[in-house]
Amino acid sequence: GENVEQHPSTLSVQEGDSAVIKCTYSDSASNYFPWYKQELGKRPQLIIDIRSNVGEKKDQRIAVTLNKTAKHFSLHITETQPEDSAVYFCAAPRSGGSYIPTFGRGTSLIVHP
Amino acid sequence: KAGVTQTPRYLIKTRGQQVTLSCSPISGHRSVSWYQQTPGQGLQFLFEYFSETQRNKGNFPGRFSGRQFSNSRSEMNVSTLELGDSALYLCASRIANDEQFFGPGTRLTVL
Repeated sequence: GENVEQHPSTLSVQEGDSAVIKCTYSDSASNYFPWYKQELGKRPQLIIDIRSNVGEKKDQRIAVTLNKTAKHFSLHITETQPEDSAVYFCAAPRSGGSYIPTFGRGTSLIVHP
Repeated sequence: KAGVTQTPRYLIKTRGQQVTLSCSPISGHRSVSWYQQTPGQGLQFLFEYFSETQRNKGNFPGRFSGRQFSNSRSEMNVSTLELGDSALYLCASRIANDEQFFGPGTRLTVL
C-alpha cells in the first residue's frame, strides 16, 4: 500500500514568515494530492490540491508544488498569519483503483503574532 | 447545500459495550468513507461504502463494521469496545475519485 511521510511534525514561525511542509509518497501511480487544514476541535478541510499533470498550483498565499520524479509534494504558505495555526495533513491515494487517501501524520503549524 | 453531518457528536461507553455512529453525506454524494483519528496514529482509513456496498477496507479488526443505506446515509458499528478505540471518528463523502468533504466527527471515549 501507499506510504506517506510528512515533515516536519511541528513548525513554529513568526507572523509574516513563510512555512513549508513536505510530504513524500511511495506509489508512482498516485495522481491526486490534497492538503487539508484541521483547526483545533474542527473537521479537516481541503485547502488546496494538485494533480499529477501540473507541477505547481497557487491560491493566494497558499501554493503546492509536486515533483513526480522524486515523489514528493510540498505546501507553501507565505505571509503567515495567526489564523493559519492548525494541523495540516497531506494525502496521497492508495494504488489499485478507487481513490482512498493515505494521510501523512500531520504538521502542527504555530504562527506567533 | 448542507455539509456532512455526524451523530452523535460525543459518546462515552465502557469496555465491552458496542456503539453505532451515523453519518449523513452531502446530498448527491454516494461515497462515504470512515476514518479513525488519534494523536498517536493520525488519520486512518476504516472503510468506504458506495451504493450500499463496501468498496474498500482498511486494516482494522472485524469488530469494526459498517453499512450504507439506499439514501447514502452510513452507519459504523464497533463491537466489544476496547480502551484503544477511544478516538475521533470522521466520515467523509465525495462524488468522484478526489475531493472528500469531512463531517465534524464523533468523539468516542471508552472507559
